[in-house]
Order: sequence, then structure tokens, then C-alpha cells
Amino acid sequence: QLQLHEAGPGLAKTSETLSLTCNVFGISITSNNYYWSWIRQPPGKGLEWIGTIDYEGRTYYNPSLRGRPTLSFDTSKNQISLELASVTAAGTGLYFCARMFYDGISGVGWFDPWGQGTLVTVSS
Amino acid sequence: QSVLTQPSSVSAAPGQEVTISCSGSNSNIGGHYVSWYQRLPGTAPRLLISENDKRPSGIPDRFSGSKSGASATLTITGLRTGDEADYYCGTWDRSLNSWVFGGGTSLAVL
Repeated sequence: QLQLHEAGPGLAKTSETLSLTCNVFGISITSNNYYWSWIRQPPGKGLEWIGTIDYEGRTYYNPSLRGRPTLSFDTSKNQISLELASVTAAGTGLYFCARMFYDGISGVGWFDPWGQGTLVTVSS
Repeated sequence: QSVLTQPSSVSAAPGQEVTISCSGSNSNIGGHYVSWYQRLPGTAPRLLISENDKRPSGIPDRFSGSKSGASATLTITGLRTGDEADYYCGTWDRSLNSWVFGGGTSLAVL
């Protein structure tokens, strides 16, 4: 059964780079047609898509985050990583990784399954 | 402020039916498929509905989705206390070039 487990530092300092990892169990992250995404949820707010990396390492990011996120993967660890540069207090929240299904022809896409999330607090 | 608009909360009695709306625009819901997610307290979000109205394996038929124009609706029938959760809609927005979600709706089964 596919499972995703996120990990992070818990606390990050303003203006620094936040680094999170997502360990994937049950399937290879480079399996064809699989996409892997990071999504966050600030306290009391809705979900925000951060970015997606596909099975060939191509990346797609939320333009509103202005070039600050970087997604990558480590095939030896079957792990997806997120680095978010120049974090601010607005970056506080629960960070989820999720597998994304996407069909580029029809435009169909959804996120399933999700990890439990890792809580990040950004403070000076 | 979320791109997709959902009511912040809804409530209904056990056994009743509830609908959760998700309102957008032609650049998102109006032109793309909608998915719905359930997040029970303290758990990972779970896909409830994909492609506007398709239920993944294991999702009870008490949950259904529909779309009309730039709005989508999640309907839950035969409410149970175990359905108390936050529900989110999501889709692609071609103007923002981004996946977008609603702010979430908290369901109370009273």
C-alpha cells in the first residue's frame, strides 16, 4: 500500500531556507506517469499548492511563490524533497506531500494519497 | 483568501443530507475537472471525488459530486457522526497557472 511520510525541522527562522523530505513507501517515485506534489495549509486557512515534480524530474511551481520553492528527488532513498527559500512567518503551517495523478491530454488531475503532514513554525 | 469559495461551516443531523458548495470562475471550475477531499481530525486528507463526480474505490456511495458551470457541489447523504471533518474542493486554474483549492468547509453532524 502506498504511503507517504513527511519530515522536517519543526521550527525555521525567518529568511532562511526550509528543507522538508517526503519518504515514499510502496512504489518507486520514478514509476511512469507519477507526479509528486507539496501542498501546505497555514493555520485556519485553506490548502495551497506549492509545486510538483514528475517521474522524470521535471518541476512545476506555484507562480505566486515567486521562484522560492525547489523540488527534487533522491531515487536511492525513494524520497521527494522541498526547499523553500527566504521563508517568512506566512510560511508557518502544515506541509503535506501527495501523489498527483495527471492526464495532460484531458487535464484531469487529483491528489491521492496524502501524507499526514509535517508542522513548520517560522519565527525570527 | 482562497481562489475557490466554500462555506466555512455546515451542519445537519445524523441521517440527513448536506451539500457543500464550491464556487469559482471560468478560468478554474468552469473549464477544468474538480476533485474533493476529506480531512478527518488529525488525519491525512483523503480523496473523495475525482473528475467532478467519480468516486475512488472504497468511497461509499453516500458521497457524490457534481458540477455546473463555474460551481461544484459535494453531497453527503445518510450523515454519520464519523463524517465530521473538513472538506476541500480543488481544480486547475489556467489564469493563475496553478492548482487551487477552496478554503475548506467544516461539517458538524449534530
